[in-house]
Amino acid sequence: DTEVTQTPKHLVMGMTNKKSLKCEQHMGHRAMYWYKQKAKKPPELMFVYSYEKLSINESVPSRFSPECPNSSLLNLHLHALQPEDSALYLCASSQDQEVEKLFFGSGTQLSVL
Amino acid sequence: GQSLEQPSEVTAVEGAIVQINCTYQTSGFYGLSWYQQHDGGAPTFLSYNALDGLEETGRFSSFLSRSDSYGYLLLQELQMKDSASYFCAVRDHDTGFQKLVFGTGTRLLVSP
Repeated sequence: DTEVTQTPKHLVMGMTNKKSLKCEQHMGHRAMYWYKQKAKKPPELMFVYSYEKLSINESVPSRFSPECPNSSLLNLHLHALQPEDSALYLCASSQDQEVEKLFFGSGTQLSVL
Repeated sequence: GQSLEQPSEVTAVEGAIVQINCTYQTSGFYGLSWYQQHDGGAPTFLSYNALDGLEETGRFSSFLSRSDSYGYLLLQELQMKDSASYFCAVRDHDTGFQKLVFGTGTRLLVSP
């Protein structure tokens, strides 16, 4: 199984809502990532978990809260988002030292109204 | 920090050969990766060059020149399904080596 599965595929939320994005992989990868991608732009790193511990937070606003419940799961909790947070949110995983070879999920297309 | 520049768009016809360039400025360098992303899809890993030279994988090849801080992706026998965005990427030397930084991206349009 070389898949990274993300749910939901699409999400529309209001600025007062709380929602969560979910990501799952069963490749035994111990590094997991959240990237944000705006239209026609490259993916930008938000968070990195290594062995279920947060190792990188790219100064992401606190309205985004990551969680890694176990080695296969990664969540991104969303609260009080702004319209400018509308984007494609991509989850990825890798072997811990093979950062150059990321396996991406298909992403969640998020619209904040 | 890291900076990777790519042409914004390249057009070609089916069956042709196209080269997508990537020039980078980095504070440290391990190697250059390439990813393909179809509209609405996930980025997919294509290749990684750590050493100078050409790496071939089927219709796709990737080249690296460390002395010139330059690499390219070569796509041969182009097919319509190759229409996608292509990103080069490097590991960020300044943030604990777990951050992959992507280039500006090149949109490839293949016409019949």
